[in-house]
Amino acid sequence: DVKVTQSSRYLVKRTGEKVFLECVQDMDHENMFWYRQDPGLGLRLIYFSYDVKMKEKGDIPEGYSVSREKKERFSLILESASTNQTSMYLCASSFRGPQHFGDGTRLSIL
Amino acid sequence: GQNIDQPTEMTATEGAIVQINCTYQTSGFNGLFWYQQHAGEAPTFLSYNVLDGLEEKGRFSSFLSRSKGYSYLLLKELQMKDSASYLCAVPSYNTDKLIFGTGTRLQVFP
Repeated sequence: DVKVTQSSRYLVKRTGEKVFLECVQDMDHENMFWYRQDPGLGLRLIYFSYDVKMKEKGDIPEGYSVSREKKERFSLILESASTNQTSMYLCASSFRGPQHFGDGTRLSIL
Repeated sequence: GQNIDQPTEMTATEGAIVQINCTYQTSGFNGLFWYQQHAGEAPTFLSYNVLDGLEEKGRFSSFLSRSKGYSYLLLKELQMKDSASYLCAVPSYNTDKLIFGTGTRLQVFP
């Protein structure tokens, strides 16, 4: 079974902090994704990566950056956290098939 | 462009059958996915349809009509644990990105 692990289930940070969300997958998948999910808006793609050191912007990349130094790890970075980035963040991985999701990180920015 | 439409909410009774519809518009069709997401949890993969017709998996079946841009998820013998959101998704043309609908929240009552 595919295992996608996100570093934290719940996280509370302050406005202006730099925040790192980590995601690791154990299936050697080429593709990895970061989404945020908000009530009424569904899943929105922030960034995705199709190979090590390769990344592409999704639909809402502003205020975020990503890093993929190793195939199994994809990090989402909030450069300077703001209250409108309070959300559920979901990481996923795939390779020519369905995306498999981690348990999510519920991030609150105070 | 690409667009997915699903009803926002549905209710049903334990033991009944419910059909959740999804219509989509996409340039270059490459299959349709259904996911289940319980409140506060990550989406889990349910089914993938790439050819027309019905695919059955136990109590859950998924149907696809490519000519009509239409799919449905059929849930039989509903159980309380089936209360969840059901997300329809199609791949973005020529990529591994998925375009998600906003999901249908299903509530099953005793």
